[in-house]
Amino acid sequence: EIVLTQSPDFQSVTPKEKVTITCRASQSIDSSLHWYQQKPDQSPNLLIKYASQSISGVPSRFSGSGSGTDFTLTINSLEAEDAATYFCHQSSSLPYTFGQGTKLEIK
Amino acid sequence: QVQLQESGPGLVKPSQTLSLTCTVSGGSVSSGSNYWGWIRQTPGKGLEWIGNIYHTGITTYNLSLKSRVTISLDTTENQFSLKLNSVTAADTAVYYCTRAPVEMSTIDYFDSWGQGTLVTVSS
Repeated sequence: EIVLTQSPDFQSVTPKEKVTITCRASQSIDSSLHWYQQKPDQSPNLLIKYASQSISGVPSRFSGSGSGTDFTLTINSLEAEDAATYFCHQSSSLPYTFGQGTKLEIK
Repeated sequence: QVQLQESGPGLVKPSQTLSLTCTVSGGSVSSGSNYWGWIRQTPGKGLEWIGNIYHTGITTYNLSLKSRVTISLDTTENQFSLKLNSVTAADTAVYYCTRAPVEMSTIDYFDSWGQGTLVTVSS
């Protein structure tokens, strides 16, 4: 099973800051890495697919990069509505797995 | 825009079978454009993929649950279902039904999720 490890687990940030969340895979997964945002009491929402491809309707301040084992989700100019938990997810091999999540708190 | 809605009992006794149904609107479970499936979430283990089904009826399951799980389609009702038998307290979770578009010929990302339903396993 491929283990995804996110860092940090928690981050407190101020609006307009640039935020970087990393996801490291226990083995190479090429670009089969996807990012989700989950706000409190809501279901996860797809942000980025295949490591760096944007999703229609998702603000352009969200971007992704990486391949192989190391991936990054970047939020440029953070907004208050971005307070949420962010998860990475790999679809390279079964079973599909998720990172443990990174919780963003807005100061 | 597709919408998914889970339904089923919120309380299941240990050793019994957990049964949930996902009703799809704005899309068809008979379409070859998507996989349909289930993911659960707990505070302790986080998000756990359970399995998926294609319109042909072909299923893919998480091996950690495979002996206990069944996912099936009801094309007449445009629904799909989850059955998990011999449940224990460890199966207490929020269960989400999901859609995964066929893009690279395999299950990749989940672009639609139901609102989730909490199932508690307790006597």
